[in-house]
Amino acid sequence: GAGVSQTPSNKVTEKGKYVELRCDPISGHTALYWYRQSLGQGPEFLIYFQGTGAADDSGLPNDRFFAVRPEGSVSTLKIQRTERGDSAVYLCASSPDANYGYTFGSGTRLTVV
Amino acid sequence: RKEVEQDPGPFNVPEGATVAFNCTYSNSASQSFFWYRQDCRKEPKLLMSVYSSGNEDGRFTAQLNRASQYISLLIRDSKLSDSATYLCVVKLNGGATNKLIFGTGTLLAVQP
Repeated sequence: GAGVSQTPSNKVTEKGKYVELRCDPISGHTALYWYRQSLGQGPEFLIYFQGTGAADDSGLPNDRFFAVRPEGSVSTLKIQRTERGDSAVYLCASSPDANYGYTFGSGTRLTVV
Repeated sequence: RKEVEQDPGPFNVPEGATVAFNCTYSNSASQSFFWYRQDCRKEPKLLMSVYSSGNEDGRFTAQLNRASQYISLLIRDSKLSDSATYLCVVKLNGGATNKLIFGTGTLLAVQP
């Protein structure tokens, strides 16, 4: 597609539930990144994929968070046993490769109640 | 200490004013530097890269001082449409590390 697409745009879930957030990068972009942005803060790095593999997952806060990119295109961020502190905007970005600038999607606003 | 530090503002300036934002970074291994702009409830968008020699794009001038680990952005002749949050960003290149590190952002409000 023309840009990075993220779905859903908004997600409200109950504490303890499981959620999946989807990112469809720009076609042909091999690098894909997930960030999380809380109110009043800058985006915080979560994980970086180069192709199908997670090249750097050092930003995942704990083992409730997991992300996959099985075919090197679409990626899914999975959050188990959601907590209220997980509420944030989850941003996905892609780039042609690691040496180029990012294009961000419009994000998924996750609210855990 | 945060890896990238910025004054959160807000900076309230009249139209036509010149405004400067500053940023410091802590990791001397940082190799690439950027300013991103983020409008309210929107995604960040690249405003400009920052080079050691300094660079200009219209009303915007960015400078980098590697020795002091300091980055700046100057906006001349401010427009109402410049109102946004400006994010200072550094990138650690090489190996498996290829992530952007964002500051908290500086909020600019240009008043008519």
